[in-house]
Amino acid sequence: KAGVTQTPRYLIKTRGQQVTLSCSPISGHRSVSWYQQTPGQGLQFLFEYFSETQRNKGNFPGRFSGRQFSNSRSEMNVSTLELGDSALYLCASSNRSSGNTIYFGEGSWLTVV
Amino acid sequence: AQKVTQAQTEISVVEKEDVTLDCVYETRDTTYYLFWYKQPPSGELVFLIRRNSFDEQNEISGRYSWNFQKSTSSFNFTITASQVVDSAVYFCALSEEAAGNKLTFGGGTRVLVKP
Repeated sequence: KAGVTQTPRYLIKTRGQQVTLSCSPISGHRSVSWYQQTPGQGLQFLFEYFSETQRNKGNFPGRFSGRQFSNSRSEMNVSTLELGDSALYLCASSNRSSGNTIYFGEGSWLTVV
Repeated sequence: AQKVTQAQTEISVVEKEDVTLDCVYETRDTTYYLFWYKQPPSGELVFLIRRNSFDEQNEISGRYSWNFQKSTSSFNFTITASQVVDSAVYFCALSEEAAGNKLTFGGGTRVLVKP
C-alpha cells in the first residue's frame, strides 16, 4: 500500500513568486493536513481538509491556501513568497475524521532566495 | 488550548544504553489522542504509536515502550538497548477529538546514539 506522496521534494523559489505543493494521501484516506516545519517555530499546523472541505485552519496569513479534490488529493499554495517561508512542508493523511493514525509524507523542502 | 512540552532538547547516549523521552501535555478535552513520531534526517515523520485518552495501558513493542499517565498528563517513551539507527528527532503530539486531525507537536527531542 503506497504511503503519502508529496511532490516536488525539493524546490527553490525567488521572493515574491508563488508555489504549489501537491499531496496524494494513502488510498482510502479522506483527511489531508498540512504542516510547516522550521528550525525556529517547529512543526506548525497549516490546515486540514476532509471530503473537500476545510475543517480547521492554523494561524497563518492568507498567503497560505489549500484545497482538496474529489479524489482526496490536496494542494497547498503560497503566494508572494517571503524568505521566512523557507521550510519543510509536510502533508499527512488519515482515514477518519478524528482519532485514527495520522501518516506523514516525506515532505517538500522549499527554499526561498 | 492544547499544548505539548518536551523538556529535553537533546539526549546523547552510548549504544546499548536505555533512553527515556519525556512528554507532558495540556488539554481541556476529555477525549484526545497522543502520538509519538520519529524524524530521521530525510525529513519524513515516521509514526510510532497512538494512544487515546481512555486507554492508559502501557505498551511494549520490541525495544520501544510507552508510559501513559493521565494523572500527571505525561506520555513518556523509552528506547531499550539503543542502537545507532535510533538516532533521530522524536516528536510527541496531541490531537483533540473536537479538532479533528489537527496535531499539536512538542518541540522535539534529538537523540544521538554513539557507537
